[in-house]
Amino acid sequence: TQLLEQSPQFLSIQEGENLTVYCNSSSVFSSLQWYRQEPGEGPVLLVTVVTGGEVKKLKRLTFQFGDARKDSSLHITAAQPGDTGLYLCAGAKTGFQKLVFGTGTRLLVSP
Amino acid sequence: ETGVTQSPTHLIKTRGQQVTLRCSSQSGHNTVSWYQQALGQGPQFIFQYYREEENGRGNFPPRFSGLQFPNYSSELNVNALELDDSALYLCASTTPESGSYGYTFGSGTRLTVV
Repeated sequence: TQLLEQSPQFLSIQEGENLTVYCNSSSVFSSLQWYRQEPGEGPVLLVTVVTGGEVKKLKRLTFQFGDARKDSSLHITAAQPGDTGLYLCAGAKTGFQKLVFGTGTRLLVSP
Repeated sequence: ETGVTQSPTHLIKTRGQQVTLRCSSQSGHNTVSWYQQALGQGPQFIFQYYREEENGRGNFPPRFSGLQFPNYSSELNVNALELDDSALYLCASTTPESGSYGYTFGSGTRLTVV
């Protein structure tokens, strides 16, 4: 059972466009992480958000944790071909070390 | 030593066989988790080891087992391989202090069962 649903599943855009990826759940998480994964590689952590309503920025990437800590979004401004990859959200619950991963969003940015 | 190293990178096995995948974590990373990632999906939690003992397990059958060693290395063993076991197997490690905030993932082992 996938507790975290991501949308869209696939996104193909032109360089310079903006985009938003959503991660939704009916469960509350103590923290939520976003990863990017490239073909043949493991996921690489981009950010961890822990407080409801928290917003974190990483260069052109903006991450937000929902007030109720059930959902999150990733916004990319002026996408570049180097942003191409599989974006995964992952939630953690207090007292449990495991991560629950989302279904993934595959992003393709064309020059 | 930094990073998480997994071996082999690719492996082809026949249905019914057994396989052992290996992971070497960073010094001090005494918590290691294994995940299975089927093509086009997010990783699924298999189990976690802390100080050489299993302390959490996902919805995987007993033919998936593991070991963790004092030198920060670990193994994932799968018996009686099935076609659906074909996937990318990821190892991730962290410290007790970082917990779920600080997982470092390896590049994975791509297992194909034919």
